[in-house]
Amino acid sequence: DTGVSQDPRHKITKRGQNVTFRCDPISEHNRLYWYRQTLGQGPEFLTYFQNEAQLEKSRLLSDRFSAERPKGSFSTLEIQRTEQGDSAMYLCASSLTQGLGEQFFGPGTRLTVL
Amino acid sequence: QKEVEQDPGPLSVPEGAIVSLNCTYSNSAFQYFMWYRQYSRKGPELLMYTYSSGNKEDGRFTAQVDKSSKYISLFIRDSQPSDSATYLCAFLLTGGGNKLTFGTGTQLKVEL
Repeated sequence: DTGVSQDPRHKITKRGQNVTFRCDPISEHNRLYWYRQTLGQGPEFLTYFQNEAQLEKSRLLSDRFSAERPKGSFSTLEIQRTEQGDSAMYLCASSLTQGLGEQFFGPGTRLTVL
Repeated sequence: QKEVEQDPGPLSVPEGAIVSLNCTYSNSAFQYFMWYRQYSRKGPELLMYTYSSGNKEDGRFTAQVDKSSKYISLFIRDSQPSDSATYLCAFLLTGGGNKLTFGTGTQLKVEL
């Protein structure tokens, strides 16, 4: 257990529904990342926060996706009007900013869109 | 051309074998070279990282970087069934958020 938790672990939804995932990072970590991993692929960067500020978003993050980190602690990732192509594992990671900034990953939320 | 190329496997070896896992990359600006291990239904965990060309050893694991060829390797000696996992190479550019660029991962199975 890395100390990063994600909820829920699994989510099954119907196409067109909205879903929201939560990530709780290691408490003293000021950086928080979201990645997406599809079957047989490595994780792909989606977005990251430093404290409560969202500093970068990948072009993979369409306008149906929104992420927040309101108090610089936990973060939520919302997907609106889900599509079958959104089916993936959504991984959260957190790190310090000093040094290498090793990223510690949570167990992920597996999303299945029917 | 993809930024990172990694053979997805699967790779099956007998217990005790030496395993060699490899990645090539095209972005010469990458500064840190990493290997993550991912067990089924878990998030990736950092196994080793290196900053410069050469070898770095940690127990049964050796990471090798050849910047001139843009090629990195991970060697596992005396492989164990508990090493069965997916191994992901990853690359880091510091500054601008330290986002990681991953390979596709190589699935390894160590058989008894």
